Amino acid sequence: QQQVKQSPQSLIVQKGGISIINCAYENTAFDYFPWYQQFPGKGPALLIAIRPDVSEKKEGRFTISFNKSAKQFSLHIMDSQPGDSATYFCAASYTGGFKTIFGAGTRLFVKA
Amino acid sequence: DGGITQSPKYLFRKEGQNVTLSCEQNLNHDAMYWYRQDPGQGLRLIYYSQIVNDFQKGDIAEGYSVSREKKESFPLTVTSAQKNPTAFYLCASSLTSGSFETQYFGPGTRLLVL
Repeated sequence: QQQVKQSPQSLIVQKGGISIINCAYENTAFDYFPWYQQFPGKGPALLIAIRPDVSEKKEGRFTISFNKSAKQFSLHIMDSQPGDSATYFCAASYTGGFKTIFGAGTRLFVKA
Repeated sequence: DGGITQSPKYLFRKEGQNVTLSCEQNLNHDAMYWYRQDPGQGLRLIYYSQIVNDFQKGDIAEGYSVSREKKESFPLTVTSAQKNPTAFYLCASSLTSGSFETQYFGPGTRLLVL
């Protein structure tokens, strides 16, 4: 119940294309869903986050879509660029839980 | 220049040896965390601390120990009891341990077994 399942494990997208990464969860107590971006040899950094009271959040080329009834959320990267090549982690946490649960990660490669 | 520093960048451990990974933050954050990253397994929580002189086990604490004697420091010791220590270790901190807090990560330490 504490798991966050992330897919795909890896993704190759052409420059200018749309990258889509999906996550699913079971615990309905989760109330915060961040996405982290990690470049090779570096620590992850927060990219964008959403709370379950909204269905979509957009920041620049990055959009989170959230489906509360399906217990799923996804990251869309529009106009993907080679500089977006990184590992992306979805995550979830809940008030009073003190921990953030991370998905297994998706390695994105954007071909020039 | 605020942030989280981890040292060393690479660490080599011999059989039966304890090694300590350093994590320091100057963000004045109360909460600190240690994660282990293995390929295809995401980030797994080893230990976390919500406040000085207090810490709790995470999901994979066996073979590891921590201390939190100062707000800015949260060192992790990988003991000889950890039979498979080769991994990338990440330290993180957040203002508090609340649900909506962003975690800020250090650059990581890669531990290799000789």
